[in-house]
Amino acid sequence: GAGVSQSPSNKVTEKGKDVELRCDPISGHTALYWYRQSLGQGLEFLIYFQGNSAPDKSGLPSDRFSAERTGGSVSTLTIQRTQQEDSAVYLCASSPQAGGPTDTQYFGPGTRLTVL
Amino acid sequence: AQKVTQAQTEISVVEKEDVTLDCVYETRDTTYYLFWYKQPPSGELVFLIRRNSFDEQNEISGRYSWNFQKSTSSFNFTITASQVVDSAVYFCALRGETSGSRLTFGEGTQLTVNP
Repeated sequence: GAGVSQSPSNKVTEKGKDVELRCDPISGHTALYWYRQSLGQGLEFLIYFQGNSAPDKSGLPSDRFSAERTGGSVSTLTIQRTQQEDSAVYLCASSPQAGGPTDTQYFGPGTRLTVL
Repeated sequence: AQKVTQAQTEISVVEKEDVTLDCVYETRDTTYYLFWYKQPPSGELVFLIRRNSFDEQNEISGRYSWNFQKSTSSFNFTITASQVVDSAVYFCALRGETSGSRLTFGEGTQLTVNP
């Protein structure tokens, strides 16, 4: 079946602009995750959603970052007033169910964000 | 707090050599899960294996094998008879039962297999 998809694959923006990154999880997966991969910081957890529960936002680096998940499926990560340090690859993952022995996260191809 | 350490930043081997990628983890959870992912040059993280803390049985899948040792908090990954297509960055990751569902990743090991 189809894997996790993300769009756009690349995004170049100017400092101070807002950007939206989109993630389509694997069909039937109830949990969705966002991570960031940058040279200096490695792979960092940002936020995850499980069904209709309140998301775990504990990894968001600042209040410029927010995410929502509509209808329990597609998710959008929004970065407001982008800064150069936001440049990174943003990875989305989904799993059948958050937590427990069967929780395995499957990743999308990522969105490479460059802030000029 | 959880931590994953992959001490080998880069490894270079010649095709057909065996290679072991090391992973050492730290967690206070008694139940936890360990993972290996492969990130080829295309950039997508590919899931390889999940291991539960209560199952120390080692696993073999084709040329890949994993050695899980709770006594040394290690979860090492061996590729037998390496091939050029194995060239990638390999990440070890940990999910503790009390840390929600977030994965804590190691820094990754860049494996280059030369023909």
